Amino acid sequence: AQSVTQLDSQVPVFEEAPVELRCNYSSSVSVYLFWYVQYPNQGLQLLLKYLSGSTLVKGINGFEAEFNKSQTSFHLRKPSVHISDTAEYFCAVSDRTGGSYIPTFGRGTSLIVHP
Amino acid sequence: DSGVTQTPKHLITATGQRVTLRCSPRSGDLSVYWYQQSLDQGLQFLIHYYNGEERAKGNILERFSAQQFPDLHSELNLSSLELGDSALYFCASSVETRVIYEQYFGPGTRLTVT
Repeated sequence: AQSVTQLDSQVPVFEEAPVELRCNYSSSVSVYLFWYVQYPNQGLQLLLKYLSGSTLVKGINGFEAEFNKSQTSFHLRKPSVHISDTAEYFCAVSDRTGGSYIPTFGRGTSLIVHP
Repeated sequence: DSGVTQTPKHLITATGQRVTLRCSPRSGDLSVYWYQQSLDQGLQFLIHYYNGEERAKGNILERFSAQQFPDLHSELNLSSLELGDSALYFCASSVETRVIYEQYFGPGTRLTVT
């Protein structure tokens, strides 16, 4: 079984400041890792994913994440946030289950960007 | 706009009732996933269909069932509703089952059970 822990339920930050949203996972098998964003009253949208290869993954909207196998972490970073980045962010992990890859989601981190 | 549509957007019903939520995947997508998002449980995977066949089951209650039709749209049926079933229900679609293919989420159906 796999699980995901998002260490911060809420992260307030000022506009143009850097931000890191933390994610740790546990799994007994090789994993694939994802970050999703959910804007108010919308569904989830994929920001980036790690499947294999380079441990630094770049995504949309200037976000990036680094896979650290030894620390079982997949933290999301952005060097300079905008007001429009205010949203809920979900980290997810998946392995193969019954013929399809089904992600297990963390509880989410609310990023609040202040002007 | 992800291209995935869900109807209705909002649904208010009473305990003990039955409702049907509908999802139309993106054009060309064969996989449909259903998720439940609640404050208590977070985002939970319910069930996955691929080209009309059930492929995986998650934390789906026996009171809940789903199917995917030949035109690839899917319906999630919730019966004997309880207050705790109040949640946002999302469907997502992807081209096929492999993880390299992104899941596109619909806007969700907000179910309120009173």
